Amino acid sequence: GENVEQHPSTLSVQEGDSAVIKCTYSDSASNYFPWYKQELGKGPQLIIDIRSNVGEKKDQRIAVTLNKTAKHFSLHITETQPEDSAVYFCAASREGFKTIFGAGTRLFVKA
Amino acid sequence: NAGVTQTPKFQVLKTGQSMTLQCAQDMNHNSMYWYRQDPGMGLRLIYYSASEGTTDKGEVPNGYNVSRLNKREFSLRLESAAPSQTSVYFCASSEMGETQYFGPGTRLLVL
Repeated sequence: GENVEQHPSTLSVQEGDSAVIKCTYSDSASNYFPWYKQELGKGPQLIIDIRSNVGEKKDQRIAVTLNKTAKHFSLHITETQPEDSAVYFCAASREGFKTIFGAGTRLFVKA
Repeated sequence: NAGVTQTPKFQVLKTGQSMTLQCAQDMNHNSMYWYRQDPGMGLRLIYYSASEGTTDKGEVPNGYNVSRLNKREFSLRLESAAPSQTSVYFCASSEMGETQYFGPGTRLLVL
């Protein structure tokens, strides 16, 4: 079946450093790539998304890049802060089909 | 707008007991989903409903049943709870293939 691989599973960075999480998807027809942040004790929430007609999207300290040829997409967080500590999930989907989630990355930002 | 609501927030069951987890959304989404998340793990899809009147199995459906009561409500039933069903259960809604909106979760302990 279709799948999304996410790496690393755990990431520890110093406050102020950058963090990068990478995902690879298998369904070449996927055209929507959201990223979710899950804080402790809460449900996942969308933080940024990108569609297949765009190569990069930025929102303040977070950015997402997409390489459709390689079927890779990545989340970049710059100037990390302690409140960025959470679990991050990537996902891939296309209209009318189920969303496939990656396994998640636990990000620790050390003050 | 309440978004996605789930009841109860916490539940303790004894092995063999039954219970129903309730979920409702007010965003007029066609699709709804039930996931389970074990400690330190990712999201695993139990069942989903692509539209009112339809339900389909996800990755881990054994031991569960669902009912799409109407467009707003999607319930998950455990007929005979087992310790292996101890988990956090999340309901989500979306248009199929688009951003999913998650509820706050139900924490279930089966003794």
